[in-house]
Amino acid sequence: AQTVTQSQPEMSVQEAETVTLSCTYDTSESDYYLFWYKQPPSRQMILVIRQEAYKQQNATENRFSVNFQKAAKSFSLKISDSQLGDAAMYFCAYNSGNTPLVFGKGTRLSVIA
Amino acid sequence: KAGVTQTPRYLIKTRGQQVTLSCSPISGHRSVSWYQQTPGQGLQFLFEYFSETQRNKGNFPGRFSGRQFSNSRSEMNVSTLELGDSALYLCASSEQGARDAGYTFGSGTRLTVV
Repeated sequence: AQTVTQSQPEMSVQEAETVTLSCTYDTSESDYYLFWYKQPPSRQMILVIRQEAYKQQNATENRFSVNFQKAAKSFSLKISDSQLGDAAMYFCAYNSGNTPLVFGKGTRLSVIA
Repeated sequence: KAGVTQTPRYLIKTRGQQVTLSCSPISGHRSVSWYQQTPGQGLQFLFEYFSETQRNKGNFPGRFSGRQFSNSRSEMNVSTLELGDSALYLCASSEQGARDAGYTFGSGTRLTVV
């Protein structure tokens, strides 16, 4: 079964600085998708960024970018110029074929003013 | 375009009762998935419905059931509630359960069983 591991339960970053959240996954599939979701106190899961496994180029969405290392099965999220509104739980997720999303346990990010 | 709507937002039930939660997906989305979120277990998949048919099911007891209507709205039901069923229940919709489309989540229903 596929698993997703986030080894950092909590992280903190100074406002305007850069932070990287780690994620590793285990799969025997060659074609799959990886996602980072943000869950603020409002509880709604918001898609931050997605990566298709067959694309070697790392995905980027404004201040958010990923470092996708397929061979190492690593998918880290980099947040640049951190803002107070970035404070939230961040979940790494995986799916392939028509299987449901598998989530990691999450990383709680605090942003210090 | 309206987002995913889950009702109610909060619910308090007594052990042994049953509960029904509702999810209205984004217009045009035919896939609805349900997840249970707890501090200890994290996010766990319950089931997915596509065009009124259950397509995937997670590892939950038969007390958890769901259905999807012809307008794609979905309900999940939990019978004989237990204290351990207290959780945030999240619903997610997508066009076809498609990986590349991603999933749009609702704000969830917070269920407390006392």
